[in-house]
Amino acid sequence: NAGVTQTPKFQVLKTGQSMTLQCAQDMNHEYMSWYRQDPGMGLRLIHYSVGAGITDQGEVPNGYNVSRSTTEDFPLRLLSAAPSQTSVYFCASSNLRVKNTEAFFGQGTRLTVV
Amino acid sequence: GNSVTQMEGPVTLSEEAFLTINCTYTATGYPSLFWYVQYPGEGLQLLLKATKADDKGSNKGFEATYRKETTSFHLEKGSVQVSDSAVYFCALGDSSASKIIFGSGTRLSIWP
Repeated sequence: NAGVTQTPKFQVLKTGQSMTLQCAQDMNHEYMSWYRQDPGMGLRLIHYSVGAGITDQGEVPNGYNVSRSTTEDFPLRLLSAAPSQTSVYFCASSNLRVKNTEAFFGQGTRLTVV
Repeated sequence: GNSVTQMEGPVTLSEEAFLTINCTYTATGYPSLFWYVQYPGEGLQLLLKATKADDKGSNKGFEATYRKETTSFHLEKGSVQVSDSAVYFCALGDSSASKIIFGSGTRLSIWP
Protein backbone atom coordinates (compact mmCIF):
# COMPACT_ATOMS: atom_id res chain seq x y z
CA ASN A 1 0.00 0.00 0.00
CA ALA A 2 1.62 3.24 -1.17
CA GLY A 3 -0.77 5.62 0.65
CA VAL A 4 0.36 9.23 0.17
CA THR A 5 3.56 9.71 -1.82
CA GLN A 6 5.49 12.96 -1.94
CA THR A 7 8.42 13.85 -4.17
CA PRO A 8 11.09 15.02 -3.86
CA LYS A 9 12.15 14.32 -0.28
CA PHE A 10 14.73 17.11 -0.28
CA GLN A 11 15.16 20.21 -2.43
CA VAL A 12 17.38 23.27 -2.41
CA LEU A 13 16.25 26.27 -4.44
CA LYS A 14 17.70 29.68 -5.13
CA THR A 15 15.57 32.72 -4.41
CA GLY A 16 13.29 33.42 -7.34
CA GLN A 17 13.32 29.89 -8.74
CA SER A 18 10.12 27.99 -9.27
CA MET A 19 9.32 24.37 -8.59
CA THR A 20 6.49 21.93 -8.05
CA LEU A 21 6.14 19.59 -5.09
CA GLN A 22 4.33 16.45 -6.11
CA CYS A 23 1.73 14.58 -4.07
CA ALA A 24 -0.17 11.47 -5.08
CA GLN A 25 -2.52 9.18 -3.16
CA ASP A 26 -3.92 5.81 -4.16
CA MET A 27 -6.77 5.58 -1.64
CA ASN A 28 -9.39 7.37 -3.78
CA HIS A 29 -9.69 10.11 -1.15
CA GLU A 30 -11.64 13.20 -2.10
CA TYR A 31 -9.87 15.49 0.32
CA MET A 32 -6.23 16.48 -0.11
CA SER A 33 -4.27 19.21 1.57
CA TRP A 34 -0.84 20.79 1.91
CA TYR A 35 0.72 21.85 5.22
CA ARG A 36 3.98 23.46 6.10
CA GLN A 37 5.78 22.63 9.32
CA ASP A 38 7.98 25.24 10.95
CA PRO A 39 9.73 25.00 14.34
CA GLY A 40 7.42 26.02 17.19
CA MET A 41 4.47 26.65 14.87
CA GLY A 42 3.04 23.21 14.32
CA LEU A 43 1.43 22.53 10.96
CA ARG A 44 -0.21 25.31 9.03
CA LEU A 45 -2.65 24.66 6.20
CA ILE A 46 -1.59 26.13 2.86
CA HIS A 47 -4.25 24.91 0.38
CA TYR A 48 -6.78 22.14 0.27
CA SER A 49 -9.11 20.42 -2.15
CA VAL A 50 -12.37 18.53 -1.63
CA GLY A 51 -12.34 16.94 -5.06
CA ALA A 52 -11.05 17.14 -8.62
CA GLY A 53 -11.43 20.65 -9.99
CA ILE A 54 -12.02 22.22 -6.55
CA THR A 55 -9.36 23.98 -4.49
CA ASP A 56 -9.42 26.53 -1.70
CA GLN A 57 -7.02 28.53 0.41
CA GLY A 58 -5.93 27.62 3.88
CA GLU A 59 -4.24 29.66 6.55
CA VAL A 60 -1.03 30.58 4.68
CA PRO A 61 -1.68 30.47 0.90
CA ASN A 62 0.47 33.37 -0.29
CA GLY A 63 3.30 32.36 -2.62
CA TYR A 64 1.76 28.97 -3.44
CA ASN A 65 -0.55 27.69 -6.16
CA VAL A 66 -2.36 24.38 -6.44
CA SER A 67 -4.52 22.54 -8.93
CA ARG A 68 -6.49 19.30 -8.77
CA SER A 69 -7.04 17.82 -12.20
CA THR A 70 -7.40 14.25 -10.93
CA THR A 71 -8.49 12.62 -7.69
CA GLU A 72 -5.02 11.13 -7.19
CA ASP A 73 -2.74 14.14 -7.63
CA PHE A 74 -2.45 17.46 -5.85
CA PRO A 75 0.75 19.34 -6.79
CA LEU A 76 1.94 22.43 -4.94
CA ARG A 77 3.68 25.11 -6.99
CA LEU A 78 6.10 27.75 -5.77
CA LEU A 79 6.21 30.39 -8.50
CA SER A 80 9.09 32.46 -7.12
CA ALA A 81 10.74 30.90 -4.09
CA ALA A 82 11.65 33.06 -1.11
CA PRO A 83 13.78 32.21 1.96
CA SER A 84 10.61 32.47 4.08
CA GLN A 85 9.36 29.38 2.28
CA THR A 86 12.14 27.25 3.76
CA SER A 87 10.16 24.61 5.60
CA VAL A 88 9.06 21.01 5.65
CA TYR A 89 5.98 20.42 3.51
CA PHE A 90 3.46 17.68 4.10
CA CYS A 91 0.68 16.49 1.88
CA ALA A 92 -2.31 14.74 3.46
CA SER A 93 -5.49 13.08 2.27
CA SER A 94 -8.68 11.84 3.87
CA ASN A 95 -11.94 10.15 2.94
CA LEU A 96 -14.79 12.61 3.22
CA ARG A 97 -17.34 9.81 2.94
CA VAL A 98 -16.30 8.46 6.34
CA LYS A 99 -17.38 10.66 9.24
CA ASN A 100 -14.68 11.68 11.74
CA THR A 101 -11.95 9.97 9.74
CA GLU A 102 -8.32 10.93 10.15
CA ALA A 103 -5.88 12.33 7.63
CA PHE A 104 -3.09 10.26 6.09
CA PHE A 105 0.24 11.98 5.58
CA GLY A 106 3.11 11.69 3.16
CA GLN A 107 6.73 11.52 4.32
CA GLY A 108 7.34 15.20 3.71
CA THR A 109 9.52 17.38 1.49
CA ARG A 110 12.29 19.36 3.15
CA LEU A 111 12.74 22.57 1.14
CA THR A 112 15.56 25.04 1.61
CA VAL A 113 15.54 28.37 -0.23
CA VAL A 114 18.89 30.15 -0.30
CA GLY B 1 -12.40 30.19 15.25
CA ASN B 2 -11.30 26.69 16.10
CA SER B 3 -7.92 26.31 17.72
CA VAL B 4 -5.74 23.87 19.62
CA THR B 5 -3.37 24.77 22.45
CA GLN B 6 -0.75 22.23 23.32
CA MET B 7 1.75 21.89 26.12
CA GLU B 8 5.07 23.51 25.28
CA GLY B 9 8.05 21.25 24.94
CA PRO B 10 10.48 19.78 24.91
CA VAL B 11 9.62 17.15 27.48
CA THR B 12 12.42 14.93 28.75
CA LEU B 13 11.71 11.86 30.85
CA SER B 14 13.43 8.72 32.04
CA GLU B 15 12.31 5.35 30.78
CA GLU B 16 9.29 3.96 32.65
CA ALA B 17 8.17 7.41 33.82
CA PHE B 18 4.55 8.55 33.59
CA LEU B 19 3.75 10.88 30.71
CA THR B 20 1.15 13.61 30.37
CA ILE B 21 1.01 16.03 27.46
CA ASN B 22 -1.72 18.62 27.87
CA CYS B 23 -4.02 19.67 25.06
CA THR B 24 -6.99 22.02 25.16
CA TYR B 25 -9.17 23.18 22.32
CA THR B 26 -11.61 25.86 21.27
CA ALA B 27 -14.31 24.83 18.85
CA THR B 28 -17.90 25.27 17.87
CA GLY B 29 -20.02 22.19 17.55
CA TYR B 30 -18.68 18.73 18.24
CA PRO B 31 -15.27 18.21 16.68
CA SER B 32 -13.27 15.02 16.52
CA LEU B 33 -9.99 15.05 18.42
CA PHE B 34 -6.77 13.36 17.40
CA TRP B 35 -3.25 12.73 18.58
CA TYR B 36 -0.67 12.30 15.86
CA VAL B 37 2.94 11.18 16.32
CA GLN B 38 5.92 12.10 14.16
CA TYR B 39 9.04 9.97 14.47
CA PRO B 40 12.35 11.48 13.32
CA GLY B 41 12.51 11.95 9.56
CA GLU B 42 8.98 10.70 9.00
CA GLY B 43 5.53 12.08 8.31
CA LEU B 44 2.72 12.24 10.83
CA GLN B 45 0.75 9.14 11.69
CA LEU B 46 -2.39 8.80 13.69
CA LEU B 47 -1.82 7.64 17.27
CA LEU B 48 -5.38 7.72 18.57
CA LYS B 49 -8.65 9.56 18.19
CA ALA B 50 -11.97 10.26 19.91
CA THR B 51 -15.11 11.39 18.17
CA LYS B 52 -17.50 12.40 20.96
CA ALA B 53 -17.55 13.56 24.56
CA ASP B 54 -16.26 11.04 27.14
CA ASP B 55 -14.79 8.80 24.44
CA LYS B 56 -11.36 7.39 25.27
CA GLY B 57 -8.91 6.78 22.47
CA SER B 58 -6.08 4.35 23.07
CA ASN B 59 -3.17 2.83 21.17
CA LYS B 60 0.33 1.50 22.00
CA GLY B 61 -0.25 2.17 25.72
CA PHE B 62 -1.24 5.80 25.13
CA GLU B 63 -4.65 7.09 26.16
CA ALA B 64 -6.62 10.31 25.86
CA THR B 65 -10.16 11.12 26.97
CA TYR B 66 -12.41 13.66 25.21
CA ARG B 67 -13.48 16.02 28.00
CA LYS B 68 -16.07 18.47 26.76
CA GLU B 69 -16.54 20.17 30.14
CA THR B 70 -12.88 21.16 30.27
CA THR B 71 -12.35 21.23 26.47
CA SER B 72 -9.33 18.99 26.90
CA PHE B 73 -7.79 15.91 25.33
CA HIS B 74 -4.65 15.20 27.37
CA LEU B 75 -2.33 12.41 26.24
CA GLU B 76 -1.13 9.95 28.89
CA LYS B 77 1.05 6.89 29.10
CA GLY B 78 1.83 4.99 32.26
CA SER B 79 5.37 3.87 31.42
CA VAL B 80 7.26 5.43 28.53
CA GLN B 81 9.96 3.74 26.50
CA VAL B 82 12.94 5.10 24.57
CA SER B 83 11.07 4.21 21.37
CA ASP B 84 8.34 6.73 22.31
CA SER B 85 10.74 9.61 21.60
CA ALA B 86 8.99 11.67 18.92
CA VAL B 87 6.98 14.82 18.34
CA TYR B 88 3.33 14.60 19.37
CA PHE B 89 0.60 16.75 17.84
CA CYS B 90 -2.86 17.31 19.19
CA ALA B 91 -5.39 18.06 16.45
CA LEU B 92 -9.02 18.94 15.98
CA GLY B 93 -11.24 18.03 13.04
CA ASP B 94 -14.59 19.54 12.16
CA SER B 95 -17.63 17.33 11.79
CA SER B 96 -16.98 16.69 8.12
CA ALA B 97 -13.23 16.21 8.62
CA SER B 98 -12.64 18.60 5.76
CA LYS B 99 -10.08 20.51 7.83
CA ILE B 100 -7.78 19.43 10.63
CA ILE B 101 -6.24 22.05 12.90
CA PHE B 102 -3.01 21.15 14.64
CA GLY B 103 -1.38 22.27 17.84
CA SER B 104 2.24 23.37 17.79
CA GLY B 105 3.60 19.95 18.71
CA THR B 106 5.47 18.66 21.77
CA ARG B 107 8.88 17.05 21.40
CA LEU B 108 9.29 14.11 23.77
CA SER B 109 12.70 12.64 24.57
CA ILE B 110 13.02 9.50 26.66
CA TRP B 111 16.37 8.56 28.21
CA PRO B 112 17.28 5.02 29.25
